[in-house]
Amino acid sequence: DAGVIQSPRHEVTEMGQEVTLRCKPISGHDYLFWYRQTMMRGLELLIYFNNNVPIDDSGMPEDRFSAKMPNASFSTLKIQPSEPRDSAVYFCASSLALLAGANTIYFGEGSWLTVV
Amino acid sequence: AQSVSQHNHHVILSEAASLELGCNYSYGGTVNLFWYVQYPGQHLQLLLKYFSGDPLVKGIKGFEAEFIKSKFSFNLRKPSVQWSDTAEYFCAVNARTDKLIFGTGTRLQVFP
Repeated sequence: DAGVIQSPRHEVTEMGQEVTLRCKPISGHDYLFWYRQTMMRGLELLIYFNNNVPIDDSGMPEDRFSAKMPNASFSTLKIQPSEPRDSAVYFCASSLALLAGANTIYFGEGSWLTVV
Repeated sequence: AQSVSQHNHHVILSEAASLELGCNYSYGGTVNLFWYVQYPGQHLQLLLKYFSGDPLVKGIKGFEAEFIKSKFSFNLRKPSVQWSDTAEYFCAVNARTDKLIFGTGTRLQVFP
């Protein structure tokens, strides 16, 4: 049973370049989350979707960040232009129905982004 | 707004020592509580969760946590740690919404 799949696993890019991170949630899960993990700020929720619709993007740091979910099996998080302070591990996660229904959120293995 | 505090940022123990990691949350209503573990270089995995019922929750690998509503706490415990428990531990709260909010994490190092 495949879990949440993220790509790329590692990316090193130059400042100013566009970065696109990809996520395939667990089949049947109708919630998808993007988190960012840094040493300074820990694990922050950036945005989440329900049935492909963005519900809360209040955690997106600024306009350089955007996320889309064109269908139930694919989401992207894009940073344009990238900056060194965007260096972090970006996790995608998915869950079945609402968390309030005693379900569990499952994480992908993360995309390690370094902007130089 | 929901928030989660983990006051122990870095804990160092010897094998066989007992462990307790603190977690406090700020939300007055009904909550769901979670502990996740992140082994070095890996993704987050669920250790245990509390939704309702018995406030003492048992999870994988011998971990347990106790929900004390009056103290807004959900501390993680293990009577005897092993070197393989070296990891980062995250407490998280979901206050009956779709969001799961994480604490800043506690890094545990266990020495043989």
